[in-house]
Amino acid sequence: AQSVTQPDIHITVSEGASLELRCNYSYGATPYLFWYVQSPGQGLQLLLKYFSGDTLVQGIKGFEAEFKRSQSSFNLRKPSVHWSDAAEYFCAVGLYSSASKIIFGSGTRLSIRP
Amino acid sequence: DTAVSQTPKYLVTQMGNDKSIKCEQNLGHDTMYWYKQDSKKFLKIMFSYNNKELIINETVPNRFSPKSPDKAHLNLHINSLELGDSAVYFCASSPGQGFNQPQHFGDGTRLSIL
Repeated sequence: AQSVTQPDIHITVSEGASLELRCNYSYGATPYLFWYVQSPGQGLQLLLKYFSGDTLVQGIKGFEAEFKRSQSSFNLRKPSVHWSDAAEYFCAVGLYSSASKIIFGSGTRLSIRP
Repeated sequence: DTAVSQTPKYLVTQMGNDKSIKCEQNLGHDTMYWYKQDSKKFLKIMFSYNNKELIINETVPNRFSPKSPDKAHLNLHINSLELGDSAVYFCASSPGQGFNQPQHFGDGTRLSIL
């Protein structure tokens, strides 16, 4: 069965430090991959997506993610985090069938240390 | 202007009651969704409508009945509420079906069953 795993439930990094959030997927075909961010009390916002082509994808707010087929991973990175980046981050995989739908990982909560 | 708006934001009610959550989008999108996010932040799709037509119906109890009077609205009615229905429900919309169509989320409705 298709699945998305985010092994880190909660990560704390210092402001200005670099960030990497891990995501692994299980899907037989070429996946459609996404990262979403959820700020407290709000809905999800799309950060970036990968469908095909260049495996390094640039997103909004200075985030990027790299698709590695050999590792079934799509890790999210940011070179220098800001306090406003504190939020919940969700990795997701798109399942293409007669009706496209997205399966979300369980999320990683990011806290920023001043 | 709010792109995807849900009402109410909070809903507290007793077991056995019937309640509705309304969702409206002013983006001119054709596709709308309902997601359920449980207490562990796990987000799962429930329904998807494209131009008022049901296209995704996950294994959701019959007590949940979506209604789409027009493509700008997708309301969720829940009969005979149970404790396990306590969650945050998110409405979303996208220009159309398919993964190249970014989904815009509302801020969620937190449903608490007493």
